[in-house]
Amino acid sequence: DTGVSQDPRHKITKRGQNVTFRCDPISEHNRLYWYRQTLGQGPEFLTYFQNEAQLEKSRLLSDRFSAERPKGSFSTLEIQRTEQGDSAMYLCASSPMTGGLETQYFGPGTRLLVL
Amino acid sequence: DQQVKQNSPSLSVQEGRISILNCDYTNSMFDYFLWYKKYPAEGPTFLISISSIKDKNEDGRFTVFLNKSAKHLSLHIVPSQPGDSAVYFCAASRDFGNEKLTFGTGTRLTIIP
Repeated sequence: DTGVSQDPRHKITKRGQNVTFRCDPISEHNRLYWYRQTLGQGPEFLTYFQNEAQLEKSRLLSDRFSAERPKGSFSTLEIQRTEQGDSAMYLCASSPMTGGLETQYFGPGTRLLVL
Repeated sequence: DQQVKQNSPSLSVQEGRISILNCDYTNSMFDYFLWYKKYPAEGPTFLISISSIKDKNEDGRFTVFLNKSAKHLSLHIVPSQPGDSAVYFCAASRDFGNEKLTFGTGTRLTIIP
């Protein structure tokens, strides 16, 4: 296993379209996180799963955003009716149940551009 | 509301000298701090951490200092190497078991050969 993978790496879409991103965590990592990074900013926490349960959601995650982790393995992040302000890098991270904050391993991200 | 701040967007340092990256925070509930390094087209990778019960943590060429009264931490890299050129993010959490990280805006470090 080579780490956290994300697909696609880049996505260009028109305003109003729906997009879905996928994250595959490191095998046997129970925890999975989504962050968003806009230009000139650091990553911002969006949501966090422990197995299939979504335990915390940021206020940044508007009603147009939905994240799932149906079988406790991979996760998807969907954005409906995209807006130009959604343009950002979407980062996924995973960690084992017994690990601390240092064990959050990040994927390479999906860069979204909304035209 | 930027709770973790890195006021220097960029820093250039000669190879072999010391690099000092600074980070300030406003939330007194933060008690665990981490530094991440990010290369282009890659996700952030963990570098070093410190809990609020310590004022210093060292790992090889990297040392993190924490001044709780000033709500300030710094990362020292010595000696600096060309491979250290990257964006460095400071991050904080409210406790070791809390999974939410709050990141600063990052400092781009360039090591000049």
